[in-house]
Amino acid sequence: QKEVEQNSGPLSVPEGAIASLNCTYSDRVSQSFFWYRQYSGKSPELIMSIYSNGDKEDGRFTAQLNKASQYVSLLIRDSQPSDSATYLCAVNRSNYQLIWGAGTKLIIKP
Amino acid sequence: DVKVTQSSRYLVKRTGEKVFLECVQDMDHENMFWYRQDPGLGLRLIYFSYDVKMKEKGDIPEGYSVSREKKERFSLILESASTNQTSMYLCASSLPQLNNSPLHFGNGTRLTVT
Repeated sequence: QKEVEQNSGPLSVPEGAIASLNCTYSDRVSQSFFWYRQYSGKSPELIMSIYSNGDKEDGRFTAQLNKASQYVSLLIRDSQPSDSATYLCAVNRSNYQLIWGAGTKLIIKP
Repeated sequence: DVKVTQSSRYLVKRTGEKVFLECVQDMDHENMFWYRQDPGLGLRLIYFSYDVKMKEKGDIPEGYSVSREKKERFSLILESASTNQTSMYLCASSLPQLNNSPLHFGNGTRLTVT
């Protein structure tokens, strides 16, 4: 079992709809969770971090964390073509190390 | 704005060559990291450094070494390049508390070993 698992996709969502991206992790002691976005040919960039159970909202993005079920999700409301990218889930292993999922490719169709 | 600069965008090397990948950051970050990214495998940590002259192995250090003689520079060395080291290499930096500090990535070096 991979330490951090994501559906590779592609996930195709119509423009204006809600995109839902999911990530599960295996280490129960993980405390910090991150979503990075990576456009094709570019480097990852942080879009959301979450540390506590529940929801965290930032503009059109909402991160959801459920430590009991060991999953973290990212919702993108009012999806735009510019949201088309690969979304990487990362979980801390220690103060210096993140464990990364392989990413979910999201395609927003106009 | 944080800038992480990797010396080469594309590199083509022959099997057995010694390869140097250079990374420089301008934000006085303590932490620096080298990852490789392969399709379907995500980012895998090769080495990281939390201070000058300090280095720690990541998940896949075999065949690699690193050097951090100055705070702003972190070099990745492939001692004897092999075809299975063909990959995208990403350098990143961050403040000390990784839990509260995002990773800032360079543009990446696509290395092809023939």
